[in-house]
Amino acid sequence: GAVVSQHPSRVICKSGTSVKIECRSLDFQATTMFWYRQFPKQSLMLMATSNEGSKATYEQGVEKDKFLINHASLTLSTLTVTSAHPEDSSFYICSHGTGNNYGYTFGSGTRLTVV
Amino acid sequence: KQEVTQIPAALSVPEGENLVLNCSFTDSAIYNLQWFRQDPGKGLTSLLLIQSSQREQTSGRLNASLDKSSGRSTLYIAASQPGDSATYLCAVLSGSARQLTFGSGTQLTVLP
Repeated sequence: GAVVSQHPSRVICKSGTSVKIECRSLDFQATTMFWYRQFPKQSLMLMATSNEGSKATYEQGVEKDKFLINHASLTLSTLTVTSAHPEDSSFYICSHGTGNNYGYTFGSGTRLTVV
Repeated sequence: KQEVTQIPAALSVPEGENLVLNCSFTDSAIYNLQWFRQDPGKGLTSLLLIQSSQREQTSGRLNASLDKSSGRSTLYIAASQPGDSATYLCAVLSGSARQLTFGSGTQLTVLP
């Protein structure tokens, strides 16, 4: 099945710095990738949809200037958390469709801690 | 707006028991429903995918059913094992944007 590689798995950064998270589709050309955020004991919430070669679509309440998404190729999407603050500490996870009856496959997630 | 609810939020059972996890959704116009497993601090592993035209799917000790008209799905785990301990998430694909909406999960603990 489709495999998504996401890294780093964990990152600790200082408040005010930026962090980039990469999501690679290893065996599938993903024109669309999805970025989710998960707070402790809560479910996944869609942040944005990245589209290869065009601008990402952000969900209501998600700041596009803070969470920069780039989807420059069919196999790579990146999420950059700019000027990170402690409240941005969360679990970020990417996903794309498998092309098989609209199933979805997910990366292993990135635990971001902003200190 | 689609909303997905999972009951119970947490469940603890002794090894060997059969158990049922429940998922309900408010908008029955779905494309499919998917059950995932999430281990602590890890990503999601797809367990079963049920298309809107299907009633159930089976994989090993897992069986998922779908009653689209009533907005319900159940995940049945037979002969539970400690290795089944994880959070189980239900997600439905719906809407013109084909958005995946997740429930808040059921945290399962299987005691040896």
